[in-house]
Amino acid sequence: EVQLVESGGDIIQPGGSLTLSCAASGFTFSNYAMGWVRQAPGKGLEWVSDISATGADTYYADSVKGRFIISRDNSKETLHLEMKSLRTDDTAIYYCARLVGEGYWGQGTLVTVSS
Amino acid sequence: DIQMTQSPPSVSASVGDRVTITCRASQGIHSYLAWFQQKPGRAPKTLIFGASILQSGVPSKFSGSGSGTEFTLTISTLQPEDSATYFCQQYNFYPLTFGGGTKLEIE
Repeated sequence: EVQLVESGGDIIQPGGSLTLSCAASGFTFSNYAMGWVRQAPGKGLEWVSDISATGADTYYADSVKGRFIISRDNSKETLHLEMKSLRTDDTAIYYCARLVGEGYWGQGTLVTVSS
Repeated sequence: DIQMTQSPPSVSASVGDRVTITCRASQGIHSYLAWFQQKPGRAPKTLIFGASILQSGVPSKFSGSGSGTEFTLTISTLQPEDSATYFCQQYNFYPLTFGGGTKLEIE
């Protein structure tokens, strides 16, 4: 059974930093591109970032480019999202997801950016 | 960026009905389209990928069709548990983009 389990969500002040992690299991992690999708309270889904299966290629939404860094450790089957210079509009549930082809989602982790 | 326009934004239907949700891409995306179901307080769940391929474990009452710029999700024999918000998403080009969602209410 495919499982994606996020962690690291927290309440953080504007300008702060936070790193999210996603532990994957139930599939060959190193064969798949992975990504992060967020959902602000009461809003729709917004793609944030993707990383290729090897980690060689990364992609970012304009809204986070230059502030967020996606990475992966295939030996540990984990995905990370390092978030810097956080803003109030980054407040959202962040989902780890495998979106290309047969898709799977984690349960999400809440990031609240507030003073 | 590719814009994904979903319609209708909301729909109300009765138990046993069939509903169709449409997603239009601002440019051709071949069949690189997925459909997701999200219930309140829950993570999204993949229903369809490749425009028409049913995700394993998803009931056959859900079906998808289309290619290029026009896509549809059809849900047949509606049941109360189908009440949810449905999203489409293209994964042909970065940035990946989602439709605005369709809220389905079962009367």
